Amino acid sequence: GGIITQTPKFLIGQEGQKLTLKCQQNFNHDTMYWYRQDSGKGLRLIYYSITENDLQKGDLSEGYDASREKKSSFSLTVTSAQKNEMAVFLCASSIQQNTLYFGAGTRLSVL
Amino acid sequence: GDSVTQTEGQVALSEEDFLTIHCNYSASGYPALFWYVQYPGEGPQFLFRASRDKEKGSSRGFEATYNKEATSFHLQKASVQESDSAVYYCALSAGNNNNRIFFGDGTQLVVKP
Repeated sequence: GGIITQTPKFLIGQEGQKLTLKCQQNFNHDTMYWYRQDSGKGLRLIYYSITENDLQKGDLSEGYDASREKKSSFSLTVTSAQKNEMAVFLCASSIQQNTLYFGAGTRLSVL
Repeated sequence: GDSVTQTEGQVALSEEDFLTIHCNYSASGYPALFWYVQYPGEGPQFLFRASRDKEKGSSRGFEATYNKEATSFHLQKASVQESDSAVYYCALSAGNNNNRIFFGDGTQLVVKP
């Protein structure tokens, strides 16, 4: 079976800082996703990518950049961290039937 | 736009109770519907899916039936266990843009022994 690895598991940043989150998958899936999870608000799509070097904006893309330089990796950058921001960022990949496989998440806190 | 509504933010039950978590959707076309479960400290895990009207999806004792007329996909389990305590997400994949998956806000299930 495959696995999705997100690094780091915990990320503490300063207001205004640029922060990068990384995701690797060994499923050989074409499509990868970044979701943001806030308490009580479900999962909101930030970016997704249907193949290497492709990027598609989700509903929450403002304030974020993404990069898919290899099929197996998908990184997300918070361009300017907001004070007191606290959220979990979830990476996922999918097969054609759209069943998503998620990583364990990166937990972000901004001081 | 496409969306998923889960009406219960939290459900509290005792072991062996019957569970229903409601999920209604709004989508153009004929979406695929999913249930995911998330345990503390982990990412969501796929439970099951259904792709056509009246199709039943099931896994680990949970089940849901695709109801196109009612635009619903309610999750049920006959007898819950304490180990079922988790957050449950309903999701859809719209037919006109298959790569986008829309999630509901999630329902926290707490099962007391």
